[in-house]
Amino acid sequence: GQNIDQPTEMTATEGAIVQINCTYQTSGFNGLFWYQQHAGEAPTFLSYNVLDGLEEKGRFSSFLSRSKGYSYLLLKELQMKDSASYLCAVFNSNYQLIWGAGTKLIIKP
Amino acid sequence: DTAVSQTPKYLVTQMGNDKSIKCEQNLGHDTMYWYKQDSKKFLKIMFSYNNKELIINETVPNRFSPKSPDKAHLNLHINSLELGDSAVYFCASSPRDSPGNTIYFGEGSWLTVV
Repeated sequence: GQNIDQPTEMTATEGAIVQINCTYQTSGFNGLFWYQQHAGEAPTFLSYNVLDGLEEKGRFSSFLSRSKGYSYLLLKELQMKDSASYLCAVFNSNYQLIWGAGTKLIIKP
Repeated sequence: DTAVSQTPKYLVTQMGNDKSIKCEQNLGHDTMYWYKQDSKKFLKIMFSYNNKELIINETVPNRFSPKSPDKAHLNLHINSLELGDSAVYFCASSPRDSPGNTIYFGEGSWLTVV
């Protein structure tokens, strides 16, 4: 089968750094997405990784290791508005997008 | 301007009814999708349309039928609604059905079957 594993929930403090991990087992790999979804809203695009390494975009960075089937999303200088669910999704060899259940991130003052 | 818009946003209906959710995108994208997000928050693809042709039809009940009158629209019709159909349905679009292209989501339609 194919699956994406992420922690269900994480808590962090405003101003701190948090790392959300994602491991995947899929039939082939053609890239990995991270999306942010606020409660009651649609997912919005954060990042796309297809090669190994770190992609930095402002306060958010995404890392990929294809050999380990592993990615993480790093959020720096956390703000209250970062409280949301973060969804990891992988394109498999059939170009099907397989979604994780998401990690609910709670930011405390 | 809303890039991907879907209506209605909220829908409460009785079991056995037939309902439709409409979706329109003004991004000029070639591919449109319908996703279902259940109570466990998994996003599952239901259908994918590329230039009005169905290219993915995941194993969803045939009570669900996508209808695409043109490239900018992909409507979802559901017959004989069941309690288990209660979920959030997201319409989405992307420039083409290939890796690396960002998928843009509509705001979601909350369907509750009672």
